[in-house]
Amino acid sequence: KAGVTQTPRYLIKTRGQQVTLSCSPISGHRSVSWYQQTPGQGLQFLFEYFSETQRNKGNFPGRFSGRQFSNSRSEMNVSTLELGDSALYLCASSMSGTSGTDTQYFGPGTRLTVL
Amino acid sequence: SQQGEEDPQALSIQEGENATMNCSYKTSINNLQWYRQNSGRGLVHLILIRSNEREKHSGRLRVTLDTSKKSSSLLITASRAADTASYFCAADSWGKFQFGAGTQVVVTP
Repeated sequence: KAGVTQTPRYLIKTRGQQVTLSCSPISGHRSVSWYQQTPGQGLQFLFEYFSETQRNKGNFPGRFSGRQFSNSRSEMNVSTLELGDSALYLCASSMSGTSGTDTQYFGPGTRLTVL
Repeated sequence: SQQGEEDPQALSIQEGENATMNCSYKTSINNLQWYRQNSGRGLVHLILIRSNEREKHSGRLRVTLDTSKKSSSLLITASRAADTASYFCAADSWGKFQFGAGTQVVVTP
């Protein structure tokens, strides 16, 4: 089985721009979660999607949004980029996310740099 | 704030030694998972322990869970240079994961 893929792997943007990141989960996985990783804040949960619906949400401003398509692929969007949005954005997929024994499988991440 | 907090933040050991790291969390969980990350890459799942389990083994890994203290520990026995990585615990509250800050482990030959 192919693993979780994320595109692009690297991205450089300037303040005020917006960005869209893409995540393709493992085949058969219906839950996709997004995380932001920075040296100062560590790994922070952004949101989780299941069956095209946002099921869980972290404590991020509304500039961060996401969606999931019928094939479980997910995108996250960050509008009006700020310097502090520079981070590694990780996507993880799992079967359902609520079974109590679900393992999350992570993609390689997208490294976003905001100048 | 992060639900899982890890101790120590960094650990330096020699090959063959054991590495132990601890994790604490704040709310109820249905399981706790440990992950490894190599140098800014994606996380790799190591082991999962359910809330009704107290200890679990997988190869050179041993995980304990104490739900009364809301804490877990990961022991890596007979460490190898390839174990050099950051290790994170993740408290799973029914699909909502909270990661700790991680323990950076360096294993020197």
